[in-house]
Amino acid sequence: RKEVEQDPGPFNVPEGATVAFNCTYSNSASQSFFWYRQDCRKEPKLLMSVYSSGNEDGRFTAQLNRASQYISLLIRDSKLSDSATYLCVVNRNTGNQFYFGTGTSLTVIP
Amino acid sequence: DAMVIQNPRYQVTQFGKPVTLSCSQTLNHNVMYWYQQKSSQAPKLLFHYYDKDFNNEADTPDNFQSRRPNTSFCFLDIRSPGLGDAAMYLCATSRSANYGYTFGSGTRLTVV
Repeated sequence: RKEVEQDPGPFNVPEGATVAFNCTYSNSASQSFFWYRQDCRKEPKLLMSVYSSGNEDGRFTAQLNRASQYISLLIRDSKLSDSATYLCVVNRNTGNQFYFGTGTSLTVIP
Repeated sequence: DAMVIQNPRYQVTQFGKPVTLSCSQTLNHNVMYWYQQKSSQAPKLLFHYYDKDFNNEADTPDNFQSRRPNTSFCFLDIRSPGLGDAAMYLCATSRSANYGYTFGSGTRLTVV
């Protein structure tokens, strides 16, 4: 079983729509969780960390469900500029290794 | 600005000819990582250093080696590149497990 699994999509949504991505992880002892955004042929960039209580940053909301071992990312009022691949990242126990999901591709359509 | 710098941005090498990719950081982070990312795939961790402690992933081929001569620099050596090694190679740094990564802009390797 993969460490981190995501639905690859693609998700094609109209501007202004709300879209949600889920990501599951296999190691129940994982401690740190992140969402990264990667534009085509560019490096991943940190979008937001995911905290136990859930957290929000503008139009973006991240949630963690430890019981079911998944994290989610909600994007409200989608913009054209949100089109990218969104990568879920989870660490291994308390070590320094982080593992990536395969990414979920989002295209926001005018 | 503090950052992670990878050189070169694009590298073309011949099949079987050793190649070295470099990464430097001004963030003074303890941990440096090398990832390989092929088209439409997740970045795959090759190895990482915590300070001078080297940690190899079990499935990283022996063809890939790394050096970290000091805190700021880390190198990826591919001893005999094959066509299957063509990929984007990403260097990242992290302060510790609780913080996210900072990535360099990557080196896109082509093997001819």
